[in-house]
Amino acid sequence: EAGVAQSPRYKIIEKRQSVAFWCNPISGHATLYWYQQILGQGPKLLIQFQNNGVVDDSQLPKDRFSAERLKGVDSTLKIQPAKLEDSAVYLCASSLGRPNFNEQFFGPGTRLTVL
Amino acid sequence: AQRVTQPEKLLSVFKGAPVELKCNYSYSGSPELFWYVQYSRQRLQLLLRHISRESIKGFTADLNKGETSFHLKKPFAQEEDSAMYYCALGGDNAGNMLTFGGGTRLMVKP
Repeated sequence: EAGVAQSPRYKIIEKRQSVAFWCNPISGHATLYWYQQILGQGPKLLIQFQNNGVVDDSQLPKDRFSAERLKGVDSTLKIQPAKLEDSAVYLCASSLGRPNFNEQFFGPGTRLTVL
Repeated sequence: AQRVTQPEKLLSVFKGAPVELKCNYSYSGSPELFWYVQYSRQRLQLLLRHISRESIKGFTADLNKGETSFHLKKPFAQEEDSAMYYCALGGDNAGNMLTFGGGTRLMVKP
């Protein structure tokens, strides 16, 4: 089966600019996650969707980050305006969803560099 | 709050030597523990989970609730085991969310 797709793979922007990332999960996976992975650290969950509803966004910096999954399939994560500390790899993952703990399948990530 | 600690950033061993990657966690409910692995130029992928109690690629991990640990072990390391290893924690009151540790880079030298 096709894996989680993400684009772009790399993005370089200047601080205060805007950027958007796109994710297409594995077909049939109800749950979608966005993680931020700063160099040298483990992935940190930003937001979790169940179908097109938000399950948890407690660690999403909502003053500058936003995410949507309008039709319960693809998702976009936006940063506006970007700061230097947003430089990281942004990972998208998907899983079948509740009630049990399902394996999360990860995309290749988008490496963002903010100058 | 959930927390996962992997005390070693880097673990270097020779081929054929035993390997133990440490993971300690903090969680108030009933934990679910996982090990994820990322090989060079590949995606992050699940290696094993404690509820499966199985050995994957020769690796095993036992959940020790008394010591709040979930160390990953392999008796004889292979060069192809070289990768980043992340311990991850979920649980009964965490939805399907995972908290990841900071990761340990395993280098297996020939």
